[in-house]
Amino acid sequence: AQSVAQPEDQVNVAEGNPLTVKCTYSVSGNPYLFWYVQYPNRGLQFLLKYITGDNLVKGSYGFEAEFNKSQTSFHLKKPSALVSDSALYFCAVRDGNRDDKIIFGKGTRLHILP
Amino acid sequence: EAGVVQSPRYKIIEKKQPVAFWCNPISGHNTLYWYLQNLGQGPELLIRYENEEAVDDSQLPKDRFSAERLKGVDSTLKIQPAELGDSAVYLCASSPGQAMYNEQFFGPGTRLTVL
Repeated sequence: AQSVAQPEDQVNVAEGNPLTVKCTYSVSGNPYLFWYVQYPNRGLQFLLKYITGDNLVKGSYGFEAEFNKSQTSFHLKKPSALVSDSALYFCAVRDGNRDDKIIFGKGTRLHILP
Repeated sequence: EAGVVQSPRYKIIEKKQPVAFWCNPISGHNTLYWYLQNLGQGPELLIRYENEEAVDDSQLPKDRFSAERLKGVDSTLKIQPAELGDSAVYLCASSPGQAMYNEQFFGPGTRLTVL
């Protein structure tokens, strides 16, 4: 069965500094990996996804993520954090070889300090 | 383009009462999902529809939960009777097709409080 782990409940970063939100996954087949962001009282918004090809994926709002097959990781990154990036971030995985449901991590709260 | 619409946004009921949530997906999106999100957790799938067919309802507690998508467009999720543990946010999402690599578009959710 597939699973996804976000080891940090909260990440604090000073505005202007680079940020990383960690995600590791486990699937038996080829992974489809996603990042979503959730602002207060809002639904989740899609940021980016990895299906195949380039390991570095670029997404919305200047975010990017790097797929690392050997470490089974898909960390979310941004070179320079903005206060408006403060939100709840969810990593998700789906097994590309099976018609199975998407599994979300428990989320990481990102605080960007002015 | 309008996003996924859900109503109501908030609902407070007493335990043992029935409750229903409504979702209208993005126009043209054949795949519709209902998720449960507990505080501090990621969404958990309850049911997935492809058009009007429920293709994955294995996580739906069928003794008290039911869902329908009769015309393959909007959908209703019902709980009867509600229990205290059902307090959560119920999210609806849609995607343009059943391909597993499609991203999902989420509505704002319905926050249910059961007293």
